[in-house]
Amino acid sequence: QAVVTQESSLTVSPGGTVTLTCGSSTGDVTSYHYPYWLQQKPGQAPRTLIYDTNNKLSWTPARFSGSLLGGKAALTLSGAQPEDEAEFHCFLTHNGGCVFGGGTKLTVL
Amino acid sequence: QVQLQESGPGLVKPSQTLSLTCTVSGDSISSGRYFWSWIRRPAGKGLEYIGRIHTSGSTNYNPSLKSRVTISLDTSKNQFSLQLSSVTAADTAVYYCARLPPGYWGQGTLVTVSS
Repeated sequence: QAVVTQESSLTVSPGGTVTLTCGSSTGDVTSYHYPYWLQQKPGQAPRTLIYDTNNKLSWTPARFSGSLLGGKAALTLSGAQPEDEAEFHCFLTHNGGCVFGGGTKLTVL
Repeated sequence: QVQLQESGPGLVKPSQTLSLTCTVSGDSISSGRYFWSWIRRPAGKGLEYIGRIHTSGSTNYNPSLKSRVTISLDTSKNQFSLQLSSVTAADTAVYYCARLPPGYWGQGTLVTVSS
């Protein structure tokens, strides 16, 4: 079973930029891993921000973007807002199923 | 707008089978090329993939749960279901259903395994 890795925690200043990453123990992450990025706040269900590497949903704020960077999937937040403080999860497709990372707690401070 | 809603018992006894249903509105589970998925989150831990069923009926399960999991579609009710057998306290979690892509999620339901 592949292991997906994320930063455990990151801090960004209001208005600042931060990049979260999602790596795989099997090697470089590619578009064929169909990376997803989810945002989850305490007591709430996850909300999908990005699917299939860089596709946004209608509710995804423009300040979030997805990409592949240095062999990993990446979520970049440009112009952080206080309401962006949350836990961010990524998952990748491996062998026909999904493998989640451990999640990144993002603090806006 | 696609909406998903989980339902089922909030309390299950150890060794019994956990059964949950996800009711889908705003979309037909028998059309399109989507994965209808179950994911859970135990308290204090991260999200865990349980398994999914494609519109075609093919299934994929988490290898660590595969021997205990069954996911099925009920097209007449526009629902899909999860059955997890031989549960223990380690199966206590909030259970979510979702449609991928692009990633529509239910609100989640807490299932506690306790006698």
